Amino acid sequence: KNEVEQSPQNLTAQEGEFITINCSYSVGISALHWLQQHPGGGIVSLFMLSSGKKKHGRLIATINIQEKHSSLHITASHPRDSAVYICAVRSTGGADGLTFGKGTHLIIQP
Amino acid sequence: NAGVTQTPKFRILKIGQSMTLQCTQDMNHNYMYWYRQDPGMGLKLIYYSVGAGITDKGEVPNGYNVSRSTTEDFPLRLELAAPSQTSVYFCASRDGVASPYEQYFGPGTRLTVT
Repeated sequence: KNEVEQSPQNLTAQEGEFITINCSYSVGISALHWLQQHPGGGIVSLFMLSSGKKKHGRLIATINIQEKHSSLHITASHPRDSAVYICAVRSTGGADGLTFGKGTHLIIQP
Repeated sequence: NAGVTQTPKFRILKIGQSMTLQCTQDMNHNYMYWYRQDPGMGLKLIYYSVGAGITDKGEVPNGYNVSRSTTEDFPLRLELAAPSQTSVYFCASRDGVASPYEQYFGPGTRLTVT
């Protein structure tokens, strides 16, 4: 079983819809990251969380440490939000570095 | 402000050839990482370094070597390329002090071994 599980794997929605991507993890963590990757592109950090909730523009990220679960929300989605969204955790044990989910491929249709 | 840079962007290798993937950061970060990304899989940690002169293995180190002679540079060496090493390679770095867990990624190197 992967230490970081994301759902859904693929998501297609219409422009303007409210989007939720979920991330569950099975290890103790010191931080959780949400990353964005456009096709053929690099990886951009959207959020880093250790508790509570953060908001940047139309993006909101929440984390529940007790339930080992995080969500990424996109309000008023737009075709430019189409990308792969990746959840990654920094474990409190083991090697330094991040453990990644497989990503959620999001397509927003106009 | 270049951040994390990687060269080359693309490379095709024949089986058995060797090459070095370059990674440089200009943020004076102590921590540096190499990850590989395979289709349909999450990124996996190959090697990491917590400072100049110190390196350690990650989850998938076999077939790779690294060195960290300076704070800025963290090259990844493939000695005998194999088709299983076809992947996209990302270098990353983090401060460890001011924003301890924030990681900055390079643009990636797409490697094909045939």
